[in-house]
Amino acid sequence: GDSVTQMEGPVTLSEEAFLTINCTYTATGYPSLFWYVQYPGEGLQLLLKATKADDKGSNKGFEATYRKETTSFHLEKGSVQVSDSAVYFCALNNAGNMLTFGGGTRLMVKP
Amino acid sequence: SQTIHQWPATLVQPVGSPLSLECTVEGTSNPNLYWYRQAAGRGLQLLFYSVGIGQISSEVPQNLSASRPQDRQFILSSKKLLLSDSGFYLCAWSVGLLGETQYFGPGTRLLVL
Repeated sequence: GDSVTQMEGPVTLSEEAFLTINCTYTATGYPSLFWYVQYPGEGLQLLLKATKADDKGSNKGFEATYRKETTSFHLEKGSVQVSDSAVYFCALNNAGNMLTFGGGTRLMVKP
Repeated sequence: SQTIHQWPATLVQPVGSPLSLECTVEGTSNPNLYWYRQAAGRGLQLLFYSVGIGQISSEVPQNLSASRPQDRQFILSSKKLLLSDSGFYLCAWSVGLLGETQYFGPGTRLLVL
């Protein structure tokens, strides 16, 4: 079946550092890929998405590129802020089936 | 615009007591609705989903149940809570095919003592 694997956290960075959170997936066909963010005590918010190979999703300074050759959708941000501290979830949707989520990666940004 | 509400925001219940969590969506018709549970420090577990009134699919066997009495209302229930039911419960909605972009509510934090 489909699966999503994320790097385990927590990821701890200083403010203005470069962020990469790795996400790889296993799926047949051509799934859509998502990143969701969960701030402390809140529900999940869609951060960005990509629906086909080589698409780049971007939002709030975050970017992720759909790489079919490496089955990856790594999340990046050039300069993180304390307010980016949250849990980040990678997910996929394969041909109308349920969303499959990764385990989440906690990001902590220190001033 | 669409909004999703969950209540209560926080709930503390004794073991063996009943449970009813409510989720409502505004601004859209015939949404797909979902209940997830997130245990402390862990990922999301899909519990139930519904594609229409009275239609409920269960993903994980447990002592919880779900109902959809109205198009935009989704209820999560239990007759007798267990300690292991503690967690953060999230409701979500989407339109179109199942698994399209889902939009989440603010969640209900449940502590069973």
